[in-house]
Amino acid sequence: GQNIDQPTEMTATEGAIVQINCTYQTSGFNGLFWYQQHAGEAPTFLSYNVLDGLEEKGRFSSFLSRSKGYSYLLLKELQMKDSASYLCAGLLRDDKIIFGKGTRLHILP
Amino acid sequence: DVKVTQSSRYLVKRTGEKVFLECVQDMDHENMFWYRQDPGLGLRLIYFSYDVKMKEKGDIPEGYSVSREKKERFSLILESASTNQTSMYLCAIKQGASGNTIYFGEGSWLTVV
Repeated sequence: GQNIDQPTEMTATEGAIVQINCTYQTSGFNGLFWYQQHAGEAPTFLSYNVLDGLEEKGRFSSFLSRSKGYSYLLLKELQMKDSASYLCAGLLRDDKIIFGKGTRLHILP
Repeated sequence: DVKVTQSSRYLVKRTGEKVFLECVQDMDHENMFWYRQDPGLGLRLIYFSYDVKMKEKGDIPEGYSVSREKKERFSLILESASTNQTSMYLCAIKQGASGNTIYFGEGSWLTVV
């Protein structure tokens, strides 16, 4: 079967660091995406991991462990504009892309 | 800039009507996808296509069909709309095997009354 799990909601404080976890059970896994989605808007690309390890892009970093079926998105120096949903998605070997249900992140001042 | 254009942003249709949602891309990407997004359920894959005239069922194809007569255009068809198809529909594209980014259209909000 194919399943991608992530927490439904998280809350963090402006200026802090937050880690959003994603676990997956899929057959034929190729890589993992993270997307940000503000309410009423289309998702926008954050990162794509194929190899194990951490990839850093400014305030955002993404980690992948293929052996553990686990990824996380790390957001540093949180800003109010980071309040959004964060979507984890798996790219499968047949080029199908499946999404988790998304994590709603609330940032408190 | 990548352009993925969905023909209608907001639609209201009656139960039983045939509905066409069009998606057009300007990137010459092979792979195109249709998702619906509902609160608490996330994005669910309806259909996808690898190339012209090719289509594959996603996780929730029932009640939908698709058409890909030209590479740049992928249409989602609701043969007989029902109220449980009220949702936000998102089209996405990806370069074939080598692509590592998915680009989304702006979304189509469909209400079936």
